[in-house]
Amino acid sequence: NAGVTQTPKFQVLKTGQSMTLQCAQDMNHNSMYWYRQDPGMGLRLIYYSASEGTTDKGEVPNGYNVSRLNKREFSLRLESAAPSQTSVYFCASSRTGELFFGEGSRLTVL
Amino acid sequence: GQSLEQPSEVTAVEGAIVQINCTYQTSGFYGLSWYQQHDGGAPTFLSYNALDGLEETGRFSSFLSRSDSYGYLLLQELQMKDSASYFCAGDLNTGFQKLVFGTGTRLLVSP
Repeated sequence: NAGVTQTPKFQVLKTGQSMTLQCAQDMNHNSMYWYRQDPGMGLRLIYYSASEGTTDKGEVPNGYNVSRLNKREFSLRLESAAPSQTSVYFCASSRTGELFFGEGSRLTVL
Repeated sequence: GQSLEQPSEVTAVEGAIVQINCTYQTSGFYGLSWYQQHDGGAPTFLSYNALDGLEETGRFSSFLSRSDSYGYLLLQELQMKDSASYFCAGDLNTGFQKLVFGTGTRLLVSP
């Protein structure tokens, strides 16, 4: 009963380092998403993938890239991390009317 | 752009009823969802209004009026475990959930 699984759960980076957040879902959903959540704010959409083979920008895509590796997996890459990217990142997948979220990845950029 | 406004915090006592309002500034939303998030946890789905009117799920009900750009979440028979943040979210596409989230309302339930 895994649902949406994100790794890593915690990560500390130095400015300029790169890293990839991994996400996998086992619910056979077509659509997947990456959101970020900052203190006192709602979730903001970074990138989404409506179906396997497609990706598109959300509200705050700058500084990020994504890959929809297959139907199950959707990764988020930070090529050159900046302190402004310190946040909690949530991956999600959806069926009509409902998003299912992973437990989040807490990223700190020093 | 699109924005959804919610009160930042609401307080209530166990057993009471509370209403969390959500107003939005765009005409492009196809429906309105509500999510609950406990501190340190992931958001979890509560309800989705695809049509105007009231949707009821147990102790929770949600209402949408697209003509008024307004919705609310109604929580009845409040319990301590309902203390959490609640987010409304408007969806921009009928085919999948491209959601824009409100800034959230922190609900504090006291004994």
